[in-house]
Amino acid sequence: DAMVIQNPRYQVTQFGKPVTLSCSQTLNHNVMYWYQQKSSQAPKLLFHYYDKDFNNEADTPDNFQSRRPNTSFCFLDIRSPGLGDAAMYLCATSRDLKYNEQFFGPGTRLTVL
Amino acid sequence: DAKTTQPNSMESNEEEPVHLPCNHSTISGTDYIHWYRQLPSQGPEYVIHGLTSNVNNRMASLAIAEDRKSSTLILHRATLRDAAVYYCIPISNFGNEKLTFGTGTRLTIIP
Repeated sequence: DAMVIQNPRYQVTQFGKPVTLSCSQTLNHNVMYWYQQKSSQAPKLLFHYYDKDFNNEADTPDNFQSRRPNTSFCFLDIRSPGLGDAAMYLCATSRDLKYNEQFFGPGTRLTVL
Repeated sequence: DAKTTQPNSMESNEEEPVHLPCNHSTISGTDYIHWYRQLPSQGPEYVIHGLTSNVNNRMASLAIAEDRKSSTLILHRATLRDAAVYYCIPISNFGNEKLTFGTGTRLTIIP
């Protein structure tokens, strides 16, 4: 039944040590999104892929990168995590960009030591 | 993007109706009004959306003011499982639109 799967659910990394979070979907949706949600805040969009086209939000730091090797998978790479990058990272999908319902995964909680 | 104003928090008794308001006075004529909710320790989930007419689905009803400057999400019979943060999000129907979450309303259900 799982539609948007995120692994791992909890990730601990060290300051400055690269980390990769993964997301997969069984919905065959064209669009995949990554959001960052810090404690007691609303989710904030980092970037999205429409098929293979990557779209970065203007205020997303260069430290955050993404890869989408195929329709089903999308990765979030944090090149040099800082303490301020500790957050919940949410992956979402939608069939298309135009006012479509987004389906979210359960999130990966990242701790930076 | 249209700005929204929602109460920071609300409480309701279990099995009673809940009315969650949202003001979106700067909404464009072509913006749909979407509602999402986020249960504790989970990702957000879609609840309902509408343009002008009131809408119903299995989860909730959406009442949209005639001037479209406000809307109300109605949970007809709240359960403990409805405790969540509810987000009201206007989204244009002209492509490449994204969800911009505001602060939302934290709904607490009292047993």
